[in-house]
This record gives sequence, C-alpha cells and structure tokens, in this order.
Amino acid sequence: KQEVTQIPAALSVPEGENLVLNCSFTDSAIYNLQWFRQDPGKGLTSLLLIQSSQREQTSGRLNASLDKSSGRSTLYIAASQPGDSATYLCAVSGGSNYKLTFGKGTLLTVNP
Amino acid sequence: EAQVTQNPRYLITVTGKKLTVTCSQNMNHEYMSWYRQDPGLGLRQIYYSMNVEVTDKGDVPEGYKVSRKEKRNFPLILESPSPNQTSLYFCASSTHGRGIYNEQFFGPGTRLTVL
Repeated sequence: KQEVTQIPAALSVPEGENLVLNCSFTDSAIYNLQWFRQDPGKGLTSLLLIQSSQREQTSGRLNASLDKSSGRSTLYIAASQPGDSATYLCAVSGGSNYKLTFGKGTLLTVNP
Repeated sequence: EAQVTQNPRYLITVTGKKLTVTCSQNMNHEYMSWYRQDPGLGLRQIYYSMNVEVTDKGDVPEGYKVSRKEKRNFPLILESPSPNQTSLYFCASSTHGRGIYNEQFFGPGTRLTVL
C-alpha cells in the first residue's frame, strides 16, 4: 500500500527566504507526482505535475524535483512571500485506479 | 473556463436524511473521483469512475453511492448520512490513462455537517 510522508509538518520562515519542502513515498511504481496548495477551508490548487519519466518541473518561483527510484520529491520555493502561506500537499498517482495518495501536508507560514 | 464545480458548497443536515452532492466538469475528462478530507487523516478516495457507467470503490466507500450516467457528471449520494460522514468533500477529474495529461483537477469542495 502506497504511503506518502511530508516533512516538516509545519514550517515558519521570514519573508524572502528560500525553502524546501520534502515528500517521500514508499512505492516507486507511480505515474506521476503532483504538488498542491490548499488555503484554509478552500480547495486544492495544482502547482506542479511531474511525470514519472521526468526529473523536475518549474513554474515561476517554484521548482519540484522527483527521484522515483529513491521515492523522494522536493518542492523548492524561492524568495518566499507572505502570500505563499498555505498548506502544501504532495500526492502520487498509481495503481489500476490512478488514485492519488496524499501526504498530510506541510503548513507553511511566511512572516512579513 | 475549464473547471470542476460542486454543489452545494456547504450543507448541514441531520442523520438519515438522504442527500446528493453534485459534481460536474467541462473538460471532457474520462476519469472522475471523490475524496474526503479529515483532520489528521488527510485526503482519502471514496469512489472513482474510469468512464460513463464504469465506477469502482476507493479506500473508504462505506455509506456512499455514486453514478456516472453522463461523462460530465459524477454525483455522490449519501443514502442515510451519519455524523461520521461530516467532512470536507472534493471531486476531481482528469484524462484517463498513463499519458502526460493525467493532472487531476479539483473542485472547490463541499463542507458537509451531519448532526
């Protein structure tokens, strides 16, 4: 059974800092990995999708990497801003039902 | 605008009163699914559908039903809601298969409270 772990569970940083969020998964037989952002009480916004054959994806200040063989992904946020404050969720897609298995998220707070 | 919509967004109901949460997508996606999100447990899949008339159970299907009569719609039915179904529910859709377009798009969520 696929398990996804995100470390740290919470992170507080000053504005402008570069930061890294970590995600690990137990079964490397995945189709892809997605990073989502969730604001309190809101829906999920897809940030980046990395296919299993890819190593990284970039969007603006965000860069996500994938090492499928070791079961790890990182989300790098450059020059963090208070508006980046949210919960970041990592999810992997796999199996015959293409189910997304989610981690429990990292709660990020960026202080002005 | 490409989107997944859910209705209602908020619902308070009582134990045993049947309810339906609707989900609709305008992206012609084959794959649709329902998740629930609970504190400390994260998001878990309830049911999924590979295409019209093809549905199957996810990790936590007990107490729920679904149907997929049209490609764009995937309603979630609670025949006899109970308090342990109080949760935040998300519908998602994507293209089907192992291709590069398997990004899953999520609806805004439905917050359900069962008293």
